[in-house]
Amino acid sequence: TQLLEQSPQFLSIQEGENLTVYCNSSSVFSSLQWYRQEPGEGPVLLVTVVTGGEVKKLKRLTFQFGDARKDSSLHITAAQPGDTGLYLCAGDRGSTLGRLYFGRGTQLTVWP
Amino acid sequence: KAGVTQTPRYLIKTRGQQVTLSCSPISGHRSVSWYQQTPGQGLQFLFEYFSETQRNKGNFPGRFSGRQFSNSRSEMNVSTLELGDSALYLCASSLAGNQANYGYTFGSGTRLTVV
Repeated sequence: TQLLEQSPQFLSIQEGENLTVYCNSSSVFSSLQWYRQEPGEGPVLLVTVVTGGEVKKLKRLTFQFGDARKDSSLHITAAQPGDTGLYLCAGDRGSTLGRLYFGRGTQLTVWP
Repeated sequence: KAGVTQTPRYLIKTRGQQVTLSCSPISGHRSVSWYQQTPGQGLQFLFEYFSETQRNKGNFPGRFSGRQFSNSRSEMNVSTLELGDSALYLCASSLAGNQANYGYTFGSGTRLTVV
């Protein structure tokens, strides 16, 4: 069983649309990260959120960490074809050094 | 600065063989973690090394092993390969293995195909 449940698994949208990806768990995390992965490459870190209720913005991407530090969301405004990729959330439980717990990912495709 | 380097990028092996994958972390990083990525299971944690010591291990059979050298470079070995071992193997380096403070950088991975 996955510690982090990510939804939706697939998302296919037109350029200019908005979207939200969710990452949920029944466990508490010390921090939560969002990565983007291109085919044949490793995940690239987008953001780390640490404090419950924290909101971080990265241009058109908005990341939120739940108050109880059990869930997170990624919102993309006015999606562009360059946003296409696999988005992964990953949690750090603090006590398990060197280990991240990954969600299964959301495959986003943005059509021009 | 140079990123995380994984070699080789691609590998094709036959069932029953063994394989060794290499990961060179970012200079100064002492923690190296290994993950297996498959379409069905996503990224699954294999193990983590810090200063040549394995600190953490995932739920994989004993056929999967690893080690870390004094220069922080790490290798993982899979013996008696099975078809199900076909996957993208990723390593991640960090200063100390504490994501909240330092973050992880992933390599491009080694694509292993077992035939």
